[in-house]
Amino acid sequence: DTEVTQTPKHLVMGMTNKKSLKCEQHMGHRAMYWYKQKAKKPPELMFVYSYEKLSINESVPSRFSPECPNSSLLNLHLHALQPEDSALYLCASSQVATPQETQYFGPGTRLLVL
Amino acid sequence: QQQVKQSPQSLIVQKGGISIINCAYENTAFDYFPWYQQFPGKGPALLIAIRPDVSEKKEGRFTISFNKSAKQFSLHIMDSQPGDSATYFCAASYSGTYKYIFGTGTRLKVLA
Repeated sequence: DTEVTQTPKHLVMGMTNKKSLKCEQHMGHRAMYWYKQKAKKPPELMFVYSYEKLSINESVPSRFSPECPNSSLLNLHLHALQPEDSALYLCASSQVATPQETQYFGPGTRLLVL
Repeated sequence: QQQVKQSPQSLIVQKGGISIINCAYENTAFDYFPWYQQFPGKGPALLIAIRPDVSEKKEGRFTISFNKSAKQFSLHIMDSQPGDSATYFCAASYSGTYKYIFGTGTRLKVLA
């Protein structure tokens, strides 16, 4: 099974709301990633978790807060977002946190901030 | 130096034709070059990848050609099919980093 699942598929939130995105994989991967993708643009790396520890934060604003409760789950907590944060949020996982390992992407959560 | 330049931005090919997408880079430290395919409403999926110690890698109808001296690599899709219509991203990375440097993407449309 090479599936990464993400919920919800779509999310509409106001600038004062708090919401969470969830990602799950059961491939035994020890690296998990959050990416942001704007329309017609490549994915942009936000966070990397390696063995449940945050390894990389690509200077992401604090209104995005990642969490890795265990090796299979990855959350992205959202608070006080801006309309420019509207995008497709992709989760990915790989065996370990090196780019040479294939990253398996989920289908994404399409977020609209009003 | 961290950029990967991808062309063309969009490509229309007849069914059965050859689709060619090109990428160029500057950073000679890059040592891994994957191509990702993304269908609308889906996440990217690894299509094929190459390291700079080989000049060509083929998997089915998909071939990567790599020119180390020119710092260029390209994706060739032989016998293109309507089901190949998607956005293709080239990428580059080097050992010791966690991230890919993605190209800007090519939207391929294969006409039936």
